[in-house]
Amino acid sequence: DSGVTQTPKHLITATGQRVTLRCSPRSGDLSVYWYQQSLDQGLQFLIQYYNGEERAKGNILERFSAQQFPDLHSELNLSSLELGDSALYFCASSEWGTEQPQHFGDGTRLSIL
Amino acid sequence: AQTVTQSQPEMSVQEAETVTLSCTYDTSENNYYLFWYKQPPSRQMILVIRQEAYKQQNATENRFSVNFQKAAKSFSLKISDSQLGDTAMYFCASHNYNNNDMRFGAGTRLTVKP
Repeated sequence: DSGVTQTPKHLITATGQRVTLRCSPRSGDLSVYWYQQSLDQGLQFLIQYYNGEERAKGNILERFSAQQFPDLHSELNLSSLELGDSALYFCASSEWGTEQPQHFGDGTRLSIL
Repeated sequence: AQTVTQSQPEMSVQEAETVTLSCTYDTSENNYYLFWYKQPPSRQMILVIRQEAYKQQNATENRFSVNFQKAAKSFSLKISDSQLGDTAMYFCASHNYNNNDMRFGAGTRLTVKP
């Protein structure tokens, strides 16, 4: 058990819809990261938050947004969903920065019908 | 932008033998970190080993060790005494400290055969 909790485990929705994925980091970790793992594009870094502030941005689409709350949990919002957004979305956390080992949650599998 | 390349999509090894997974990377930064992550069929991502680029000594974690060749930008993972539980996808990753850019390779699917 990594200590990182992601909900829900599975999500099925339709194109054009909006969903929110939630992540609770490991106790004591200030950084949260979001990743997208799809079959054709491998593991892609989306965005990092550190203690409530955006720290780094990767290949995140404009339709996607994230935030980290004062209690350090994070949410990834995906809107105007397309078939290609079907993927496994991972959240990870580390104590401070990306140079440290990241502890991954079990992921949320998003299926767009 | 940095890139990470894993040239072996699939590999197999007999139980108890040794296997080496290859990874090359390309970065213009001097301050970076390298990682190997393991993703078993359960889909969890598990850190295997980590290497700071400024350290010349190769990192070792029990049966897992790396061969870090900084000039060649190579970062291979050696698994000794392979076990059935080592069957997984293995991802090589690179992180640039200055811009927080994190990249993963496409992965190598390793199968350990009994």
